[in-house]
Amino acid sequence: EIVMTQSPAIVSVSPGERATLSCRASQSVFNNVAWYQQKPGQAPRLLIYAASTRAAGIPARFSGSGSGTEFTLTITSLQSEDFAVYHCQQYHNPRDLTFGGGTKVDVK
Amino acid sequence: QLQLQESGPGLVKPSETLSLICIVSDDSIRSSNHYWGWLRQPPGKGLEWIGSINYSGTTYYNPSLSSRVTISVDRSKNQLSLNLTSVTAAETSVYYCARHRRLLWFGDSQQGDSWGQGTLVTVSA
Repeated sequence: EIVMTQSPAIVSVSPGERATLSCRASQSVFNNVAWYQQKPGQAPRLLIYAASTRAAGIPARFSGSGSGTEFTLTITSLQSEDFAVYHCQQYHNPRDLTFGGGTKVDVK
Repeated sequence: QLQLQESGPGLVKPSETLSLICIVSDDSIRSSNHYWGWLRQPPGKGLEWIGSINYSGTTYYNPSLSSRVTISVDRSKNQLSLNLTSVTAAETSVYYCARHRRLLWFGDSQQGDSWGQGTLVTVSA
């Protein structure tokens, strides 16, 4: 099983500032990483796939980077609607899709 | 717009079988274009993929759950089913059903992916 570890567990950011979220894979997953946003009581929303490709309708303030074992989701100029939990997921092994534990972005 | 609705018992006893269904609002479960999957999320924790099934009935299960899980489709009823045997309290979670175009990621709206709203299942005596 490929273990995905996200850090930090919680990041406090002021509106308008930048948030940087990290995700580490236990082995190389090349660029086979997706990122999701999840708000309370809602299903996750796909933000990024292939480590850096934004999904349809996702604002440009969301960007993904990384390859191999280290990945980053950056949210520039945080808006009020961006305070949520963010999950990374690897699909390098499509027979064993795994997610990280999530990072909560809350208001500083 | 496609809607997925999970339903089933909200409370299951330890060691028993968790059974859920997902009602699909259109006939797309009869087409070959998508996978149909189940995921879960313990309260306050991360997501876990349980497994998926394709049009031909081929199933793909999380290796850690494969000995206890069965996913099936009933096209005559437009529904997807999940059975998970011998559950423990640690499996208390919100269970989601999902339609996904690729066996890679979930929720790609360009590909017609969709999620249910999720249903909380508590495992407790």
